[in-house]
This record gives sequence, C-alpha cells and structure tokens, in this order.
Amino acid sequence: ELKVEQNPLFLSMQEGKNYTIYCNYSTTSDRLYWYRQDPGKSLESLFVLLSNGAVKQEGRLMASLDTKARLSTLHITAAVHDLSATYFCAVEGYAGGTSYGKLTFGQGTILTVHP
Amino acid sequence: EAGVVQSPRYKIIEKKQPVAFWCNPISGHNTLYWYLQNLGQGPELLIRYENEEAVDDSQLPKDRFSAERLKGVDSTLKIQPAELGDSAVYLCASSARQGVGELFFGEGSRLTVL
Repeated sequence: ELKVEQNPLFLSMQEGKNYTIYCNYSTTSDRLYWYRQDPGKSLESLFVLLSNGAVKQEGRLMASLDTKARLSTLHITAAVHDLSATYFCAVEGYAGGTSYGKLTFGQGTILTVHP
Repeated sequence: EAGVVQSPRYKIIEKKQPVAFWCNPISGHNTLYWYLQNLGQGPELLIRYENEEAVDDSQLPKDRFSAERLKGVDSTLKIQPAELGDSAVYLCASSARQGVGELFFGEGSRLTVL
C-alpha cells in the first residue's frame, strides 16, 4: 500500500526566510503533484513532476523529484505572507508499469508566514 | 472555461438523515473522482469514474454511501443514513486523461452531521 508522508506538518516562518517541505513515499512512482489549499477553499494545483530529476519553479516556490530516493521537496525562497496556506503532495501509484489511477495524498503541511 | 462545480457548498443535517452532493466536472474530462477530506487531513479517494463506469470504489462504504454518474458527465454522491463521523468536506475532482494526470478540484461540499 502506498503511503505518503510530509514533514514538517506545521511550519512557522518569518518573512524573507527560506525553508523546505519534504514529501516521502513508500512505493515506486515517477509522478508526483503539489497542491495548495487556502482555508475553506479547494485544492489548487501548483506543480506536476513526471520524471526523476524533474524541477519546476513558480515565483518563490520550487519543487523537485528524486524517484530513486522516493522524495520530493518544495523549497520556499524569501517567504511572504501570501504563501501562508496548507501544502499537499500527492503521488500517483504504479504497479507493473500500470497506474493505479488515483492520487494518494500526504497529510499536508500548514505553513504560516509571519512579518 | 468553467472549473469543477459542486453543490451544495454547505449542508447541516441531523444524524440518520439522507444527504446528496452534486458535481459537474470540467467539460471534456472523462475521469471523475470523489474524495473525502477530514479536518486537518489530506483527501482520501472514495470513488473514481471513467465515463459512467465506477472503476475504483474499493474505499466507498457501500452500506451507506452510493454514487452515480449518469451519461458520463455529472455525478451525485449520496449518504443514507448519515452518521456523526461523516462530517467532513466532500471534494469532487476531474482529470483530462484516463488514469490520473493532474486533478482539478471543485470547492467542495462541507457536511456537518448533528
């Protein structure tokens, strides 16, 4: 069974600082997705990582995927208050080269950026 | 282009009452998902449709939950009877390709069972 773990679960940052959220998963996959969720809102797609070594950047956020280590990172550069939200990673499970056809989500990381 | 539309956004019911949620996916998206999100948790899959066929309903509690996707477009998720533990957000998502690909989520239906 695919398990996805994020850490930290809670992250309190000062504006201007850098930090990284980690997403580990338990079985082979080369498809990983990052989502953002604001309180009371739905999930917004941030990044789609579809191969080993994939790196995507958007503004102050950069995501990467290491399929050998079964690890993805979401790096935050010079945080600003607008980045405060919950961030989820989600992994598409595979068996024998066939997708399970669903995403398994991590628990989420609640990010709060303080002035 | 319109996103995934869900209704109602909020529903408060007494336990043992029935409740239904409706979802209209993005036009042209043949794959539709219902996810359950408990407070402080990540979404968990309830059921996945490819067109009108439920291809993965292994996580759907079939004693009280049911779903349908007539004509392969809109979908309805029903709970009957609702229990206190069903209080959660029910998210609908759709994707353009068979399998998974990027999921696009609706705003969700927040259920409170009293």
